[in-house]
Amino acid sequence: AQTVTQSQPEMSVQEAETVTLSCTYDTSESDYYLFWYKQPPSRQMILVIRQEAYKQQNATENRFSVNFQKAAKSFSLKISDSQLGDAAMYFCAYRSGGGKLIFGQGTELSVKP
Amino acid sequence: DSGVTQTPKHLITATGQRVTLRCSPRSGDLSVYWYQQSLDQGLQFLIQYYNGEERAKGNILERFSAQQFPDLHSELNLSSLELGDSALYFCASSATSGGPLKRSNEQFFGPGTRLTVL
Repeated sequence: AQTVTQSQPEMSVQEAETVTLSCTYDTSESDYYLFWYKQPPSRQMILVIRQEAYKQQNATENRFSVNFQKAAKSFSLKISDSQLGDAAMYFCAYRSGGGKLIFGQGTELSVKP
Repeated sequence: DSGVTQTPKHLITATGQRVTLRCSPRSGDLSVYWYQQSLDQGLQFLIQYYNGEERAKGNILERFSAQQFPDLHSELNLSSLELGDSALYFCASSATSGGPLKRSNEQFFGPGTRLTVL
């Protein structure tokens, strides 16, 4: 069975600085997809960034980028120029061809002004 | 706004009771997924329906059941409720049932239903 692990329950970053959230996963599949979701205090689940496992190039969405290391089964999220609105719970998620998402435990990110 | 609606937003009930949570997917989406978010279990997949048929099952208790209707809305029924069932229940929808990742396969989440069992 696939598993997703986020080893950092809490992280903190100064406004305008850069922070990296870690995620590792375990799977025997070769074709899968990885995601980072943001959950602000409103509890809405918001997709931040996605990565297809067959793509070697790391995905980037504005200030958000990932470091995808397939052999190491690692998928970290880097947030550049952190803003107060980035404060939220961040979930790493895995999806195989079947469609269901498997989530990590989450990392609570706080942003200090 | 994701386009996925869930009702009610909040639900408070007592142990032993039965409740029904409702989800309307985005227009045109055929797949509906249900997820449970609780303090001790985290975010976990419960069940998926595609065009009216059950497609995948996760850690869903036997006391829970779901269905998807011809108009594609879905309901999650929770019975014999226990204190531990208190959680945030999300519904998500996508155009298809998995397969290669395309924009059309992205899952869009509703705002959730907060269930409190007293």
